Amino acid sequence: GAVVSQHPSWVICKSGTSVKIECRSLDFQATTMFWYRQFPKQSLMLMATSNEGSKATYEQGVEKDKFLINHASLTLSTLTVTSAHPEDSSFYICSARQGAGMNTEAFFGQGTRLTVV
Amino acid sequence: AQSVTQLDSQVPVFEEAPVELRCNYSSSVSVYLFWYVQYPNQGLQLLLKYLSGSTLVESINGFEAEFNKSQTSFHLRKPSVHISDTAEYFCAVSGAAGNKLTFGGGTRVLVKP
Repeated sequence: GAVVSQHPSWVICKSGTSVKIECRSLDFQATTMFWYRQFPKQSLMLMATSNEGSKATYEQGVEKDKFLINHASLTLSTLTVTSAHPEDSSFYICSARQGAGMNTEAFFGQGTRLTVV
Repeated sequence: AQSVTQLDSQVPVFEEAPVELRCNYSSSVSVYLFWYVQYPNQGLQLLLKYLSGSTLVESINGFEAEFNKSQTSFHLRKPSVHISDTAEYFCAVSGAAGNKLTFGGGTRVLVKP
C-alpha cells in the first residue's frame, strides 16, 4: 500500500513553545489529509480535514488558532501546535487519501507523540 | 451524525483460540465500514473494509467481518489467533456523502501463550 510518513515520531517541548508536525504522502498525491488526536488507551478523535490549497475544516471543539493546519501541496500537510501546554500532550496521527471517492483508502502515518513539559 | 460502539474494551484470548470483536454503528445514511489494527506506538493499518457487495469480507491474515445491516453490526472474527495478533483494533464508519472516519473506542486484544 501507499506510504504516509510523519515527522517527528516523538517530540518533547517546553510549555509555551510551538511544535510543527509534518505529514507526507511519499508515493501518491493526497487531495485530502486528516489529523487525529489520540489520548492514552482511547480512540482517535478527528481534529480537522484539510484539502490541498484550501483552509482546513475543523471539528467542533477544536481550536483552529491553536492547531494550525497547512496543506500547501499534494504531498505535505503540517500541524502546528501553538503555545503548547501539558494538556496538549497526546499522540497525533495523520492520514491521507488519494481522491475523494469511497473506494480510495485512507493511509495512516505512524503517529507523533507530543509531550509538553 | 454517526457513531461507533465497540462493546469490549479488552479481550484476553489464548493462542490458537477464536476471537470475536464486536462493533455496532448508528448512521442516518448508508455507511462504509472498516477495521483497523494499531500496534504499540504506531499508526493504523487497514485490516479490511466493507464498501458494497458481499457482506462477508476477509483479510489476508485470517480475519473476517460480516456486515449485518439489520443489526447495524460489523463484528470481526478470527478462528485461531497468534501471539502477533496482540494489538488494538478499531472499527470505523464513513458516510457515503463524506470521507472522514468515525472511530469506535477500540478493543485491546491480548493473546496469551
